[in-house]
Amino acid sequence: GAVVSQHPSRVICKSGTSVKIECRSLDFQATTMFWYRQFPKKSLMLMATSNEGSKATYEQGVEKDKFLINHASLTLSTLTVTSAHPEDSSFYICSARREVGQPQHFGDGTRLSIL
Amino acid sequence: DQQVKQNSPSLSVQEGRISILNCDYTNSMFDYFLWYKKYPAEGPTFLISISSIKDKNEDGRFTVFLNKSAKHLSLHIVPSQPGDSAVYFCAASADAGGTSYGKLTFGQGTILTVHP
Repeated sequence: GAVVSQHPSRVICKSGTSVKIECRSLDFQATTMFWYRQFPKKSLMLMATSNEGSKATYEQGVEKDKFLINHASLTLSTLTVTSAHPEDSSFYICSARREVGQPQHFGDGTRLSIL
Repeated sequence: DQQVKQNSPSLSVQEGRISILNCDYTNSMFDYFLWYKKYPAEGPTFLISISSIKDKNEDGRFTVFLNKSAKHLSLHIVPSQPGDSAVYFCAASADAGGTSYGKLTFGQGTILTVHP
């Protein structure tokens, strides 16, 4: 199979805290990883695309200084929500893809709650 | 601008019968289509995909049909089982390159309930 692990599954923290979310492909090497955000009763919205060893490509309207993405290896990408505020509370989910033309496989998501 | 639409928010089917989930898209650049299944508190699980060069792809109980002229795809599940009850999302991408290379655009999802 294609297993993607995302950690932590839930985070509750105070406003102003920075939060790091990890996404790992456990049984395959992912040339590309994707980060999504889901608002209540909405579809998954792509935030950014990251290729191993290069800078992430952010979607329009996504603040790259607020959502820092690092893709240091073919099996690990991290999303850091810097100086998080209540409006950043959401469901964040990552996916990983072996190569072009292959499907994306998703982690189980992280529920972020900023108090 | 909803480029991928699943117009039926829910579908209820009897066990053993066929489930047909529909999806429409507007962007003619989409050339790769996928169906995902999602249970509560879990991430989407990949089910089946189809490239725009094909009009049908089958994998066990799951078959995806693509009608490019109508910009419509459907997922058929036969026979349906109670364990198939979940939210089903269709997704599309334009894999021909560019800054959105591989970007998936999702539909809103359809809740499938299969009754025993």
